[in-house]
Amino acid sequence: LAKTTQPISMDSYEGQEVNITCSHNNIATNDYITWYQQFPSQGPRFIIQGYKTKVTNEVASLFIPADRKSSTLSLPRVSLSDTAVYYCLVGAVGNDYKLSFGAGTTVTVRA
Amino acid sequence: GAGVSQSPSNKVTEKGKDVELRCDPISGHTALYWYRQSLGQGLEFLIYFQGNSAPDKSGLPSDRFSAERTGGSVSTLTIQRTQQEDSAVYLCASSKAGGTGTHNEQFFGPGTRLTVL
Repeated sequence: LAKTTQPISMDSYEGQEVNITCSHNNIATNDYITWYQQFPSQGPRFIIQGYKTKVTNEVASLFIPADRKSSTLSLPRVSLSDTAVYYCLVGAVGNDYKLSFGAGTTVTVRA
Repeated sequence: GAGVSQSPSNKVTEKGKDVELRCDPISGHTALYWYRQSLGQGLEFLIYFQGNSAPDKSGLPSDRFSAERTGGSVSTLTIQRTQQEDSAVYLCASSKAGGTGTHNEQFFGPGTRLTVL
């Protein structure tokens, strides 16, 4: 499994855009990049997944440069309810059952 | 539809006692996973089931830990002779089996908070 590195914590204010960058220098050709979100006292929840370039859904956008050695999760106009831990995962299709969650990035949104 | 459910939600036990944690996956999901999360830490993989078989038990921390899955559905994680370091939140997840092209999204339950006194 490719090792990932992301900031331990980030602070933001309501209405701002939050960008969390994850480094994965050893990403393999078959690896996808996936982000999960975890609220206190809950299990993680899938947010978004991508392979290259840009992916956008109703919750977030994921930017992946051409070399795929990093990725950036973008949360537009955050609210207090976006306060959570965000995990970056890298895994190969068909072999990604063993999700490797690090400590994640704790995002705190303030009023 | 119903999500992944786990029981009990909280369990307090004394050191040396055995505990059983239960997971009900989403109907139709053949893959099931157990993770452990200590306070303020990331998730630690424990075991993976595909149907009733467990092709990967590599994450089980000791032989005091075991898990089974019957009928391709409900799973039970058993911890024998519990120790204080076993205190953590135990999370179960399920996903659809197989498939290619994208990650098999794992759907997590709310977890069981285990406290060993």
